[in-house]
Amino acid sequence: DAKTTQPPSMDCAEGRAANLPCNHSTISGNEYVYWYRQIHSQGPQYIIHGLKNNETNEMASLIITEDRKSSTLILPHATLRDTAVYYCIVSARGNNDYKLSFGAGTTVTVRA
Amino acid sequence: SQTIHQWPATLVQPVGSPLSLECTVEGTSNPNLYWYRQAAGRGLQLLFYSVGIGQISSEVPQNLSASRPQDRQFILSSKKLLLSDSGFYLCAWSGQGHQPQHFGDGTRLSIL
Repeated sequence: DAKTTQPPSMDCAEGRAANLPCNHSTISGNEYVYWYRQIHSQGPQYIIHGLKNNETNEMASLIITEDRKSSTLILPHATLRDTAVYYCIVSARGNNDYKLSFGAGTTVTVRA
Repeated sequence: SQTIHQWPATLVQPVGSPLSLECTVEGTSNPNLYWYRQAAGRGLQLLFYSVGIGQISSEVPQNLSASRPQDRQFILSSKKLLLSDSGFYLCAWSGQGHQPQHFGDGTRLSIL
């Protein structure tokens, strides 16, 4: 898996959008970008993934730059329950590459 | 919809005792199955994965083993637990190709 770089922590205000950046400058053409989050003492929760097009689901939006070297996860209206560690992972998946390499992630604290 | 069940949620075992953690998936067929371990304050480490019944791949040498007796059942075992086996054990499943992995709620294992 290619290495990703995320800021160690960030704060955001409840009700505002939270924009979480991730750099993956060595990403390969067949590698997807996956975002997960982990709330304390729980298993990681899948949020969203994409290859090169922007993606949106009920939880978040994923914006991938045209050169695919970075991406941004957007939580449109952050709530206190969004406080968690957020992980950006790149993986080829499906090419005998089954490992998700979770780094340190970004600790997001949503404040009232 | 698909669900994943892990039990027990918490387990305290003495050194040298055996271990059996069970994971089952509902609502899908022929999933890929995974066992991860997360040490306190650390990232997730992939221990085993399985692409089919009886097919187990080990990522790291260790005191643990895994088995897949049925399509949607994945078991993590040990004959004699070590202190270093303490941690948060997570089971996950995925579909084929680039489909994301989905995690259970985990088992927190403490070895005394």
